[in-house]
Amino acid sequence: DGGITQSPKYLFRKEGQNVTLSCEQNLNHDAMYWYRQDPGQGLRLIYYSQIVNDFQKGDIAEGYSVSREKKESFPLTVTSAQKNPTAFYLCASSMSDSTDTQYFGPGTRLTVL
Amino acid sequence: KQEVTQIPAALSVPEGENLVLNCSFTDSAIYNLQWFRQDPGKGLTSLLLIQSSQREQTSGRLNASLDKSSGRSTLYIAASQPGDSATYLCAVRGGNKLVFGAGTILRVKS
Repeated sequence: DGGITQSPKYLFRKEGQNVTLSCEQNLNHDAMYWYRQDPGQGLRLIYYSQIVNDFQKGDIAEGYSVSREKKESFPLTVTSAQKNPTAFYLCASSMSDSTDTQYFGPGTRLTVL
Repeated sequence: KQEVTQIPAALSVPEGENLVLNCSFTDSAIYNLQWFRQDPGKGLTSLLLIQSSQREQTSGRLNASLDKSSGRSTLYIAASQPGDSATYLCAVRGGNKLVFGAGTILRVKS
C-alpha cells in the first residue's frame, strides 16, 4: 500500500524543547516537502528536498531544520528558536521537482504547552 | 512574489446545486495549477492538475479551467452532494514550489 505517512498525529511540546516530526514515503519519489498550515491560511513552504543529501529553505525556514539521509525519509525538527510553532504540519512528495503532482501525508498537529 | 487568492472564503449550498469556486494569481509565469481537497484535520487530496499549456481538466463531476493570461482558474462542481463538503485549495507552481491560496470552505446541505 503506497503512500506518505507522518507521525505522530498529535504532538505536544513544552517551550524550549526541540521536537522532530517524521515523514516517510514508499512512492519512490525524488522530491519531498514540508509545509505549515495555520487556521484560515494557505500552506506555507518550510523546506524542500529534490534529492538525497540535499535540501533548500522555503519561505519560512527560520526555527526549523531538516535532513534527507534516505530517499524515503524527510524528518523535520522544530527547534526552540521557532517562536510560534503551534500549527498543522504537512509533508508531501512528488516524482521529481518539476511539474508533477504533489501527494500529501495526513499531517501532524503540533501544540506548544 | 506570487500571490494566490480564493473567493469566496466560505460557501454554503443546498444539495444538487452546481457551483463555482474561484482562484486568482498575480504572476502568470506558472508551470501548472492544482486543485486540492482537504477534510477537517486531514491532509490534502489532489483533485485536478492543469498544466500551463492546457485550458481545462475534468474528473467526474469536477471541471477545472485555467486562463493563464488573466491569472484565473475556476473549479466547477456539478450536482453537489453532502460528501463534497470540505475545504478546497488551489495552488500554482512556478519554479520549485507551490504557492497556495487560503482555500474555500464548502458546505453542502442535505
